[in-house]
Amino acid sequence: SQQGEEDPQALSIQEGENATMNCSYKTSINNLQWYRQNSGRGLVHLILIRSNEREKHSGRLRVTLDTSKKSSSLLITASRAADTASYFCATDLTSGSRLTFGEGTQLTVNP
Amino acid sequence: DADVTQTPRNRITKTGKRIMLECSQTKGHDRMYWYRQDPGLGLRLIYYSFDVKDINKGEISDGYSVSRQAQAKFSLSLESAIPNQTALYFCATSDPLAGETQYFGPGTRLLVL
Repeated sequence: SQQGEEDPQALSIQEGENATMNCSYKTSINNLQWYRQNSGRGLVHLILIRSNEREKHSGRLRVTLDTSKKSSSLLITASRAADTASYFCATDLTSGSRLTFGEGTQLTVNP
Repeated sequence: DADVTQTPRNRITKTGKRIMLECSQTKGHDRMYWYRQDPGLGLRLIYYSFDVKDINKGEISDGYSVSRQAQAKFSLSLESAIPNQTALYFCATSDPLAGETQYFGPGTRLLVL
């Protein structure tokens, strides 16, 4: 079964609003990564947070990690139509070995 | 030029045929991966390789085989294609010495009739 589960499966918002996506996982991890996928294209790495970190920022992205709850959230602030894509969390149990992906959240940002 | 390339980008084949999907990378990474993506199921790992002499099964290796011909090349074969292997296939690379990020190719869309 998938290590990561994402919530919601689909999210539709207006341009300028914030988008929050959540990821839960089952076992202890070394790090958790978020990827973005435009329709039918390859995945692009967004941000990585290690198990000893609680929050990271990168531009309009903010990621949190709560290892006690085995959950992470990805916040995209001031969303743009170009942010429309699927977003996946991926867990890395042993640094740099293999990733296990969640099923993704489909984000639609309406202009 | 793209760092991770996949050929072909689209392929239609018939049940029972053997096909090969190829992946090449110019990133100099030792680690390469093959995933498949089905609608609503995210990505699932088929095989991965940590160097030229290393091949490991992933979650769903049955019906697939791989060959790591060189550091830069990692091929995925379907020995006898079946319709439920219709999916989007992605190759990825990583270099743990440069971080745990994986870099993905553009994908191969495979349809098995």
